[in-house]
Amino acid sequence: GNSVTQMEGPVTLSEEAFLTINCTYTATGYPSLFWYVQYPGEGLQLLLKATKADDKGSNKGFEATYRKETTSFHLEKGSVQVSDSAVYFCARNTGGFKTIFGAGTRLFVKA
Amino acid sequence: GAGVSQSPSNKVTEKGKDVELRCDPISGHTALYWYRQSLGQGLEFLIYFQGNSAPDKSGLPSDRFSAERTGGSVSTLTIQRTQQEDSAVYLCASSLIITDTQYFGPGTRLTVL
Repeated sequence: GNSVTQMEGPVTLSEEAFLTINCTYTATGYPSLFWYVQYPGEGLQLLLKATKADDKGSNKGFEATYRKETTSFHLEKGSVQVSDSAVYFCARNTGGFKTIFGAGTRLFVKA
Repeated sequence: GAGVSQSPSNKVTEKGKDVELRCDPISGHTALYWYRQSLGQGLEFLIYFQGNSAPDKSGLPSDRFSAERTGGSVSTLTIQRTQQEDSAVYLCASSLIITDTQYFGPGTRLTVL
């Protein structure tokens, strides 16, 4: 099937802690993979993406590596800030028009 | 340039009434998408447009939902005879081409009483 599974939240961390949000997908072929972020009161925006196996997407200190062998695209950041508090969505496209989103993981970062 | 805009930002309506939600995509973007985000849920794909045509409407949850796009730009999502389960945030996104990164609007929060 075509699905995206990400870890349930909420995730609560202290400032400067290490962040990992797990994401796995099922797919045939080689989809592009995305992380979108939704800050409080704002719309979704693309955080990073990777279009082929072993690619690493990075932005604002966040990174995710396209792992075909484990069908994963885990999001990581070495030192989170309060301003990173948001909902993070993992997504994959289907090679066509449709993008499949995970359920979202809410992150709270405490000062 | 301007991003994707949606109106209204909030809509409260009574059960059984019709509502129209509007999306203005980024100028020049040929693809436009509608999603629904229910409380605590992920994004549910509803429909997409390539230009003015909607090749796949299978994501629309019922025949009370319809959408149109005119002039390859503005799109309207119409929900007839609203039900309480229609309460959600309705998100619109656009992209330059179908397989490109999608840019999202701020959403319309619909509450059906």
